[in-house]
Amino acid sequence: QVQLVESGGGVVQPGGSLRLSCAASGFTFSSYGMHWVRQAPGKGLEWVAFIRYDGSNKYYADSVKGRFTISRDNSKNTLYLQMNSLRAEDTAVYYCAKVVWFGELLYYDYWGQGTLVTVSS
Amino acid sequence: SSELTQDPAVSVALGQTVRITCQGDSLRSYYASWYQQKPGQAPVLVIYGKNNRPSGIPDRFSGSSSGNTASLTITGAQAEDEADYYCNSRDSSGNHLNVVFGGGTKLTVL
Repeated sequence: QVQLVESGGGVVQPGGSLRLSCAASGFTFSSYGMHWVRQAPGKGLEWVAFIRYDGSNKYYADSVKGRFTISRDNSKNTLYLQMNSLRAEDTAVYYCAKVVWFGELLYYDYWGQGTLVTVSS
Repeated sequence: SSELTQDPAVSVALGQTVRITCQGDSLRSYYASWYQQKPGQAPVLVIYGKNNRPSGIPDRFSGSSSGNTASLTITGAQAEDEADYYCNSRDSSGNHLNVVFGGGTKLTVL
């Protein structure tokens, strides 16, 4: 069965960096685009970033553009999110999600359990 | 970028029917998908596309769309349906990919 397992969350000071990982199994990871979605405490879902199945295209939410970098290693079935210049407003549970996207249809069929990132001094 | 608007809270009596709506310009061009999230858990896909349910989702969940509004209907709501529900779609503005989520609707089953 499909499994997505995030890791790397923790407490970091404002201006600091953190790298999240998402280990994928149960499907052909190299054939699917992947996203990061976050959820601040008590708030709704917010899209963060997308990477194409082969890593050739990447897109970011305006709120993280220039600070976060999404990447993947298809040989390790792993997705990453490098987060730099972290701010208090980046505090959230970060989910990786497998996306199905063609034409006017885009949806997330599988989600990880999430990893909590807390930005605080 | 576009936004998706949802009512913050909706309630339904046990066994009755409830509709949760999602409004936004992007829905004129792109399908909505719907997610159920219970406290402390990751979201779960319940409806995608025109009206498709993933395996394991009860058939009391259905979706529909008209103009700039997408709807999730639960026919015969059960106690276990009490959760937050989020819609999402692609964003129609700009040439690059952007994804938008609604603010979520908290469903209470009375």
